[in-house]
Amino acid sequence: RKEVEQDPGPFNVPEGATVAFNCTYSNSASQSFFWYRQDCRKEPKLLMSVYSSGNEDGRFTAQLNRASQYISLLIRDSKLSDSATYLCVVNRMNTGFQKLVFGTGTRLLVSP
Amino acid sequence: GAGVSQSPRYKVAKRGQDVALRCDPISGHVSLFWYQQALGQGPEFLTYFQNEAQLDKSGLPSDRFFAERPEGSVSTLKIQRTQQEDSAVYLCASSLVAGAARGANVLTFGAGSRLTVL
Repeated sequence: RKEVEQDPGPFNVPEGATVAFNCTYSNSASQSFFWYRQDCRKEPKLLMSVYSSGNEDGRFTAQLNRASQYISLLIRDSKLSDSATYLCVVNRMNTGFQKLVFGTGTRLLVSP
Repeated sequence: GAGVSQSPRYKVAKRGQDVALRCDPISGHVSLFWYQQALGQGPEFLTYFQNEAQLDKSGLPSDRFFAERPEGSVSTLKIQRTQQEDSAVYLCASSLVAGAARGANVLTFGAGSRLTVL
């Protein structure tokens, strides 16, 4: 079983739709959490951090449930430019350094 | 430099050939990571350097994989006797600080080196 699990999708949604991605992680020692975005044939880029209190950045809302070891990302009013793969990432201390562990990613396709 | 630079961007190797992939991290960045990303998968951790010290190489798939960062800046990932299963994108990432320091988990990735083994 992978340490970070995501539904690979693809999620096909029309412009303007609201879409939600979920992710679970197995290591309770995980300390911090992120969503990264990866465009086709590009490198991953940080989208946003995820906090227990929930955090919002424009159309994007991230939520963490530590008890359930569950992370979510909500995208409202989807744009064509949101089409990408969204990687769920957990971070933990590992032999003296902070190690980012990535999920397989969830692919989103937004159509006109 | 302004970003993390990786070369070559694309490499085609015949099975059994040795390859070397280079990473130039952001100047002054202490931490350097190598990840392997197979098609349709997320990045998988390979190895980590803090300056010139390789603190973790537990993700290297076999003893054919070797990484170094001799002067604490540029790093090279070497794969000997390449196999078809080595085909992937190899991503390098760096971070300004290390350890438990705030910001040590803020990684900047390079564009990757795409390796295809025939």
